[in-house]
Amino acid sequence: DAGVIQSPRHEVTEMGQEVTLRCKPISGHNSLFWYRQTMMRGLELLIYFNNNVPIDDSGMPEDRFSAKMPNASFSTLKIQPSEPRDSAVYFCASIFSNEQFFGPGTRLTVL
Amino acid sequence: GEDVEQSLFLSVREGDSSVINCTYTDSSSTYLYWYKQEPGAGLQLLTYIFSNMDMKQDQRLTVLLNKKDKHLSLRIADTQTGDSAIYFCAEGVRDDKIIFGKGTRLHILP
Repeated sequence: DAGVIQSPRHEVTEMGQEVTLRCKPISGHNSLFWYRQTMMRGLELLIYFNNNVPIDDSGMPEDRFSAKMPNASFSTLKIQPSEPRDSAVYFCASIFSNEQFFGPGTRLTVL
Repeated sequence: GEDVEQSLFLSVREGDSSVINCTYTDSSSTYLYWYKQEPGAGLQLLTYIFSNMDMKQDQRLTVLLNKKDKHLSLRIADTQTGDSAIYFCAEGVRDDKIIFGKGTRLHILP
């Protein structure tokens, strides 16, 4: 298995633009998590899904952020409009038997 | 609320033991975890301990759990330069949700 796949690996965009981050979890894993990591705030859980249903989105910073999981093999995290303070590394993770498997992350820079 | 606290930095001389400490708040946690993050990569599970255990040893790694004090520690024996990374303490709370600490950056001195 290729593990959790995220794309793009790096994204540089200008303030106000829409950004879409993508994640493909490991096949058979039924929970998917989106995290954001910054030096100042560490690793923050944004939202997680179980069987494609959002369970807890209390970590989503504001309405500019939205996440979807249309099927078991794909999820998106969208920021619209993006702001410089959204610059961070965004990780996707899926879980199996109490172990979370992390993707390599998307490094987002908003200028 | 749910919270995991750990110190942000630790410097250890090569060959010495590293001890990273962590406290958590949810007494109902079933599993407690240590994850490792190397530069430019995602987190990888290093080891975990079930909440009814006091200790778990895995080669150079020893995890100690004091459930009464909600204190978890990770000891790395004979610390090597390859151990330089950020180590995250985490607790499993419910519905597959895992709460992570901010991570301890381990720096190895020659």
